[in-house]
Amino acid sequence: RKEVEQDPGPFNVPEGATVAFNCTYSNSASQSFFWYRQDCRKEPKLLMSVYSSGNEDGRFTAQLNRASQYISLLIRDSKLSDSATYLCVVNGKAGTALIFGKGTTLSVSS
Amino acid sequence: EAQVTQNPRYLITVTGKKLTVTCSQNMNHEYMSWYRQDPGLGLRQIYYSMNVEVTDKGDVPEGYKVSRKEKRNFPLILESPSPNQTSLYFCASSLNMAGVGGDTQYFGPGTRLTVL
Repeated sequence: RKEVEQDPGPFNVPEGATVAFNCTYSNSASQSFFWYRQDCRKEPKLLMSVYSSGNEDGRFTAQLNRASQYISLLIRDSKLSDSATYLCVVNGKAGTALIFGKGTTLSVSS
Repeated sequence: EAQVTQNPRYLITVTGKKLTVTCSQNMNHEYMSWYRQDPGLGLRQIYYSMNVEVTDKGDVPEGYKVSRKEKRNFPLILESPSPNQTSLYFCASSLNMAGVGGDTQYFGPGTRLTVL
């Protein structure tokens, strides 16, 4: 099992749609979870951390299921500007490294 | 403005010609890291540093060297570049160890390296 696996994508959705991304991780000792956003050929930027109780930031909702080692990101009312690659990120051994998923590409069209 | 800077942004070089990619952060961060990003492989960590004079290997360290003589700088050195090191490189920094306590990693703008 790969350390961090994401939906392969790409996701092509119309404006206003709701879209969900899933991610599984293999290290049961992982303590920190994140979603990063990366625009084409640019640096990744933190979208949101993922907390055990789930958390929401505007149109974005992140969920964590430790028992299943599963993280999700829900985007409601998609905007054209949401088009990007979304990276699932989990901390690795002894907290010294972040393990990045390969990313899921979202394309929102008008 | 809080930022991570990298130079150069673009570099085309030839096999065997030593090069250095500089990285600097102005946020007084303890932790710095280098990644490479390749199509289909995602971001992979090359080296990281938890503080001045403390560096360690990441997942793909072969062919690279780093140093951390000052807190703000973390250069990546390719002593004898080869074509398989053609990639997009990112430097990143965070206040503490990567990810601890939800700590954010800030990335530089990237260096696109081509080795002919």
